[in-house]
Amino acid sequence: AQSVTQPDIHITVSEGASLELRCNYSYGATPYLFWYVQSPGQGLQLLLKYFSGDTLVQGIKGFEAEFKRSQSSFNLRKPSVHWSDAAEYFCAVGRSMDSSYKLIFGSGTRLLVRP
Amino acid sequence: DSGVTQTPKHLITATGQRVTLRCSPRSEDLSVYWYQQSLDQGLQFLIHYYNGEERAKGNILERFSAQQFPDLHSELNLSSLELGDSALYFCASSVTPQETQYFGPGTRLLVL
Repeated sequence: AQSVTQPDIHITVSEGASLELRCNYSYGATPYLFWYVQSPGQGLQLLLKYFSGDTLVQGIKGFEAEFKRSQSSFNLRKPSVHWSDAAEYFCAVGRSMDSSYKLIFGSGTRLLVRP
Repeated sequence: DSGVTQTPKHLITATGQRVTLRCSPRSEDLSVYWYQQSLDQGLQFLIHYYNGEERAKGNILERFSAQQFPDLHSELNLSSLELGDSALYFCASSVTPQETQYFGPGTRLLVL
């Protein structure tokens, strides 16, 4: 069965430091991969997505992610974290089902930013 | 702002009651999805509609039902509510089933 694992429940970084959030997936075919961010009391905002092509994907707010098929990973990175990046981050894989489609989400990683 | 709207933003009700959550997709989108976010289950897919037609069901209880209307807005009906139904309910929409899903702000349901 398809699944997404985000091994880190919480991560704390200092403002200005670099960030890497881990995501591993289990999916038989070539996956569609996504990172969403949820700020407190807010909905889910799409940061970036990978469908095919270049394995390094650029997103909004200075985020990027790299698809590594050999490691079944799609880690999210940012070179310099801002206090406003404090939020919960969800990795997701898209799964096709006959004439439908759904997202399977990881359990999320909560990012705390130290001033 | 994703362009997906959900009402109400918050809902407090009692066990055994019935509520209706409403979602308006982006103007160009034909697909509407419902997801539930709870502390113990995380984000779970509930149901998918495309152009008024149900396409797939996920972990949706029999007490829950949904529909998509001709103007493409969707409603999620939750009945015989239990304490465990307290959660954040998200609607998402996309142009076609395999396109990117854009999420609304959610409806936070509290069952007392």
